[in-house]
Amino acid sequence: AQSVTQPDIHITVSEGASLELRCNYSYGATPYLFWYVQSPGQGLQLLLKYFSGDTLVQGIKGFEAEFKRSQSSFNLRKPSVHWSDAAEYFCAVARNNAGNMLTFGGGTRLMVKP
Amino acid sequence: GAVVSQHPSRVICKSGTSVKIECRSLDFQATTMFWYRQFPKKSLMLMATSNEGSKATYEQGVEKDKFLINHASLTLSTLTVTSAHPEDSSFYICSAPLGPTPEQYFGPGTRLTVT
Repeated sequence: AQSVTQPDIHITVSEGASLELRCNYSYGATPYLFWYVQSPGQGLQLLLKYFSGDTLVQGIKGFEAEFKRSQSSFNLRKPSVHWSDAAEYFCAVARNNAGNMLTFGGGTRLMVKP
Repeated sequence: GAVVSQHPSRVICKSGTSVKIECRSLDFQATTMFWYRQFPKKSLMLMATSNEGSKATYEQGVEKDKFLINHASLTLSTLTVTSAHPEDSSFYICSAPLGPTPEQYFGPGTRLTVT
């Protein structure tokens, strides 16, 4: 069975500082990896995804993530955080190649200090 | 991009009544849709896979008789919470993949409160 771990439940950063949100997965095959963002009371918005190819992927809102197979990680980064980035962030793995079901990590709540 | 809508966005119902939540793919067809449940400050838990023209596939521990899913067309799936109880209060989110890829588009969610 696959699993996704986001070790940090809460992270607080100052506006303008850099950000890295950690994501580790456990999956026997080549994973499809995603990062989603959720504002309070809202649905999920896709930030970026990795299917294959270049292991450094660029997403919306200035976010990027790097797939590291050796570490089973897909960490999300942003060089300079804005106050509007405060939200809940979810890492997800597609369950298998034949289906589209996602397994989500527990989420990381990002707070931004002025 | 692809859009998925949900209706209603919020609903309050009395214990013992049933509530129907709709999930629509607005500009694409979806033979499969997914229903998730999210508790406060928690992650999304997959409840079931809705399949157009056939029975839904439920995850382990999800009561199929309580959470009725109907995928009547290629753009509409409904989740009916039957005989709702306060413990069913939650945020319900649907999603649909655009084509055969694992990428999914999520609806805005429905906040259900059972009093």
